[in-house]
Amino acid sequence: EIVLTQSPATLSLSPGERATLSCRASQSVRSSLAWYQHKPGQAPRLLIYDASTRATGIPARFSGSGSGTDFTLTISSLEPEDFAVYYCQQRGNWPITFGPGTKVNIK
Amino acid sequence: EVQLLESGGGLVQPGGSLRLSCAASGFTFSNYGMSWVRQPPGKGLEWVSAISSSGASTNYADSVKGRFTISRDNSKNTLHLQMNSLRAEDTAVYFCAKYRIPDKIYFDPWGQGTLVTVSS
Repeated sequence: EIVLTQSPATLSLSPGERATLSCRASQSVRSSLAWYQHKPGQAPRLLIYDASTRATGIPARFSGSGSGTDFTLTISSLEPEDFAVYYCQQRGNWPITFGPGTKVNIK
Repeated sequence: EVQLLESGGGLVQPGGSLRLSCAASGFTFSNYGMSWVRQPPGKGLEWVSAISSSGASTNYADSVKGRFTISRDNSKNTLHLQMNSLRAEDTAVYFCAKYRIPDKIYFDPWGQGTLVTVSS
């Protein structure tokens, strides 16, 4: 099983600041990685897939990069609605796995 | 607009069974693989099971293998999850999710979820 590790566990930032979230895989997943945003009581939302492709309707302030084992989600300038939990997910090998999440808090 | 609506959750005793359903609309259901993903209270997301567009291929997390069965009815645009021998650790919100691209397992969109509570 491919284990995904996310860091930091919590990120405290102010609106307008840049957020950099990391996801590391225990073995290569090539570019088969996605990022999701999840708010309490809501359905998770796909932000990025294939490591760097923005999903439909996702603002340009969200960007993804990386390949192999190291990936990054960057939010260039935080908006109030961006404070949420972010998960990475790999589809490179069965079973599908998610990272433990990074919670982005308002500072 | 793509819509996914889960149903069938509730309170069940340990060892009991429950069948979840997910009604899909707004897309050609028979063209897309589907999955179930769960979130235990206070914890992160856990993939549970996946099924191919035709239903011929299924996969399960080790934690549910042999107890849960995923299936689909393409004539009724419905996805199911039969859950047997339920345990306390199966307590979670269960989401159904559509593959973003027919053969790529990225989940988009997700339903709102249905809560399953396993307790005596």
